[in-house]
Amino acid sequence: NAGVMQNPRHLVRRRGQEARLRCSPMKGHSHVYWYRQLPEEGLKFMVYLQKENIIDESGMPKERFSAEFPKEGPSILRIQQVVRGDSAAYFCASSPGQAGADQGGQFFGPGTRLTVL
Amino acid sequence: QKEVEQNSGPLSVPEGAIASLNCTYSDRVSQSFFWYRQYSGKSPELIMSIYSNGDKEDGRFTAQLNKASQYVSLLIRDSQPSDSATYLCAVNPGGYNKLIFGAGTRLAVHP
Repeated sequence: NAGVMQNPRHLVRRRGQEARLRCSPMKGHSHVYWYRQLPEEGLKFMVYLQKENIIDESGMPKERFSAEFPKEGPSILRIQQVVRGDSAAYFCASSPGQAGADQGGQFFGPGTRLTVL
Repeated sequence: QKEVEQNSGPLSVPEGAIASLNCTYSDRVSQSFFWYRQYSGKSPELIMSIYSNGDKEDGRFTAQLNKASQYVSLLIRDSQPSDSATYLCAVNPGGYNKLIFGAGTRLAVHP
């Protein structure tokens, strides 16, 4: 399967715990994006990363949220001290190059559904 | 004003009809436009991309772009019940790599 992979698919955390979401881009893709979809709402951009670099984190909440894309391994979205409002679907997407320049769009993984009790 | 606007629907069409989905955007320098289909509980699936004014056809789907009017649409010919989903319009704003999504239009195709 050469698609975008995300795990876990479902994650349950209690308030105050940490959540770690992982994303492996499609083979040959070097650009990773994270989006959040709250219930009954649209997709909201969070962060754009390339290997070892955060390129655009303008959509990331200022506190508790962080992202990385190390030289080896998957991209990680980390949420510290989760609150009930963090319950959402978190989608990772990848592209081979710039989303517009390569004219190929972004391809989404299956998502991680985070539930905070 | 929202950056990307779509009617939430639901848009209900009979099987075999043409479904017309519309989207407007506010950033005049936007260069790339995409339509995604999202089934309930699933992830968005890219179905069309368009970059130049005019029409682009792919099977039963036609995307239309009018940059002067800041308007992009998706036509689905010979609609099938399996086309019932939420259709998301996405815009790549000029100079940025992120996608800005509309809230989506729910399409219901009834037999």
